[in-house]
This record gives sequence, structure tokens and C-alpha cells, in this order.
Amino acid sequence: QKEVEQNSGPLSVPEGAIASLNCTYSDRGSQSFFWYRQYSGKSPELIMFIYSNGDKEDGRFTAQLNKASQYVSLLIRDSQPSDSATYLCAASSASKIIFGSGTRLSIRP
Amino acid sequence: DGGITQSPKYLFRKEGQNVTLSCEQNLNHDAMYWYRQDPGQGLRLIYYSQIVNDFQKGDIAEGYSVSREKKESFPLTVTSAQKNPTAFYLCASSITGAAYEQYFGPGTRLTVT
Repeated sequence: QKEVEQNSGPLSVPEGAIASLNCTYSDRGSQSFFWYRQYSGKSPELIMFIYSNGDKEDGRFTAQLNKASQYVSLLIRDSQPSDSATYLCAASSASKIIFGSGTRLSIRP
Repeated sequence: DGGITQSPKYLFRKEGQNVTLSCEQNLNHDAMYWYRQDPGQGLRLIYYSQIVNDFQKGDIAEGYSVSREKKESFPLTVTSAQKNPTAFYLCASSITGAAYEQYFGPGTRLTVT
């Protein structure tokens, strides 16, 4: 069974600090990787995607991919209370996308 | 305004009744998906369609049915054969295929009593 694993949390981070969210995947055929943010009771919202090894930055968000280690991470700089949500990691091959169960992030004032 | 709409937002049904959830997109996406999310859990794929008049079962298709008669529409029917239908149902679409990012509708919360 191909899987995407995330620590369920909650991960508590002080406001203004860097939040680091991690994800591992088992399918070496995975080509594309996504991070979604989901507020309680709402649908997931795409915040980052990455296809190549290395870092990809977008505003306060940085996605990191290491295909050799089968590891994806999301860094959130200058964390804000509005960043408090569940973050879903997803990995896809040509035929299928698999979502992790999510990490709950809490930003404390 | 491009996007994905799902209706209704909340749906209540009695056990033994079939119910159809609506999903419409105007993003001109070829691929559409239905997921189920239970409290504290990730997304589980029910059905997906990569082209009109064609669809495939996902991981938990039993008790569900779909149709794809139009590119814009991908309705999901929850049948009475689904043993535990109470859940949050999410529809998504992508340009084509699983390798591309998916965009989600607002979801339908179904409660069956």
C-alpha cells in the first residue's frame, strides 16, 4: 500500500517563528508533491506544489523536496495566527494522488 | 469567476435513502474527483473521471455511483448500500491526470440518521 505519512500534531509554534511541517512518501514513482491548508470545517486550499529536488519559495512559504530520501517539507516563516490550520501533504504519480492525514498546526500568540 | 461549486453545503437524509451530491466546475478541467473525509482523517478517493463519459473507481467506491455526461459536471450518488455514509464529501478538479494540482470545491457535509 503506497502511503504518505505525516505527524498528526498538534504542532505548536509561537507567533513570528518558523513552522516546519514534514512528510514522507513510499512510492518512488511519485512525481509531483503538493501542500494544502485546511481550516476546520472547510475544504483544502492549495498553497504550494513542487516537482523538482530542492527548494521552492512563495512569499512566507518554502517547499523542500528530497526525492532520494522520499521527503517533503513545508516551512512557514513569520508564522501568523491565521496560519493555524491542518496542512495536508500529497504525492502523485501519473495515475494517482495520495494524501496524508495532515498535521495540525497551532500558532500561539 | 472560475471555480468549483458543490451543493448543498449541508444535507440530511434518513437511512435507506439514496442521495445525490452536485459538483460543477467552470475551470475547463478535464479531470474531476470525489473524496470522502472523516473527522481527523485524510482524504479517501471514491471515484475519478479523466474524460467525459468515462470514470474509474477509487479506493472506497462501494456504495457510491457517479456519472460524467458533461465536462463541467460530476455528480455523486450515495446509495443505501453505503454502510457509513455520514461524512464530509469533497469534489476536486485538475487540468488532467493526477500529476497536476487539484482544486477543491467547498464540500458537502452529509448526515444520515
